Order: sequence, then structure tokens, then C-alpha cells
Amino acid sequence: SQQGEEDPQALSIQEGENATMNCSYKTSINNLQWYRQNSGRGLVHLILIRSNEREKHSGRLRVTLDTSKKSSSLLITASRAADTASYFCATDASGGSNYKLTFGKGTLLTVNP
Amino acid sequence: GAGVSQSPSNKVTEKGKDVELRCDPISGHTALYWYRQSLGQGLEFLIYFQGNSAPDKSGLPSDRFSAERTGGSVSTLTIQRTQQEDSAVYLCASSLALGLAGGRQYFGPGTRLTVT
Repeated sequence: SQQGEEDPQALSIQEGENATMNCSYKTSINNLQWYRQNSGRGLVHLILIRSNEREKHSGRLRVTLDTSKKSSSLLITASRAADTASYFCATDASGGSNYKLTFGKGTLLTVNP
Repeated sequence: GAGVSQSPSNKVTEKGKDVELRCDPISGHTALYWYRQSLGQGLEFLIYFQGNSAPDKSGLPSDRFSAERTGGSVSTLTIQRTQQEDSAVYLCASSLALGLAGGRQYFGPGTRLTVT
């Protein structure tokens, strides 16, 4: 599987519910980021978590990182219809190639009003 | 301030024609990146620039793809003799410095290329 694989591939929830998306990766990383993409166009950066951090919060977002399992989760609490988008995790490999972000295929989140 | 801009936003071209895609990074960002996103896929890294130089071109899918950056600012991605499999959204990003130590990558809105 690819570095930075998200699951589930698609998630449909009702407004007000929480949404959890997971990401797994293969190699050692410096950082892991989550991005959001609307309508298949530009990506919006949501949050960055460093390899020495375990949890990070930003507004309604909570990200966890478990480097021993090479996995991360993104939790969106109290979801809104406007949260409907694709969500991608992106990793940079530690070492010489840390300029490259490797993205997974994303989770398509649909929040129904 | 202004974000990363890309032009054109959409491009339809016939198979075999050449296309040029342009990226204007955020002013002062020294690092610039090109990615490609095919339908329903994640983003695929193509190339990066630090200043005007591109030390790593290994992500370019074939020798029909080339990119340049002049004056440490605007970058152009050129695809020669386009093929239908080149149809994708091409995204450009910039950051203050190479890698993530200097900050996150800021993405442009992308150019949707359709090869007929």
C-alpha cells in the first residue's frame, strides 16, 4: 500500500456527529499533515503534527500520531455540512527527501444536514 | 496577502499538443513544488525547486514533462506531445524554505488539464 493511506475511503455522517479518519504510513517521518480538498481543487492545510508529538488540537480538529504503529487519526467534532470534503494525510520522510510530501488517496467525508 | 496562483484554471487540449502551466508562488517563498492528482487519486509529487534550481526531477513521469523557474519566482510546467493519461489536476505549492522545517506547503487552486 502507499505511504499515507487513509481509511475509510468514504464516510457519510449526520451533521453534529463526529468524524474520524485514519492514516497509515510506512517509513519514518519528520511530520504528518492533514489537508482538506473541496471539489477536487486546491488543498487547504488543516494541521501539522511533528513526529515527537502525540496529539494536537485546532478548533474542532484533533489529530493523534502513533509513530510505533505508523498511524494517525483526524477527528472532526460536531461536524457541519460545510465540512464535506476530501481529507488527505501527507507525510514527509525523515532524511534527505523531506521536501517531498507523500499523500494518500484520501477520505471523502459527506456530512448530511 | 496573495496566495499561490495558477493559470490557466482549466485547459482542454488535443492529444499531441504541448501545454504550459504556470504557477505564481507566495512572494518570498523560496521553495516551490509541483504535484499531479489524477481522478480519484492522491497527489503525486512531480518536482521541486529551491530558488531556480531543481535538484530532484525523479518525480516527472516521462521526458515529455519539464519545468523551469526563473527569478526564484514564477514556475512553468511544460508537457510536450500530451497524451490522454496526462489528464489530471496539476497543483503547485510553495513554502518559505525547503522541507517542512521552514513551514507548511501552501497550495494553489490547481490547473485542470483535459487531453482529448
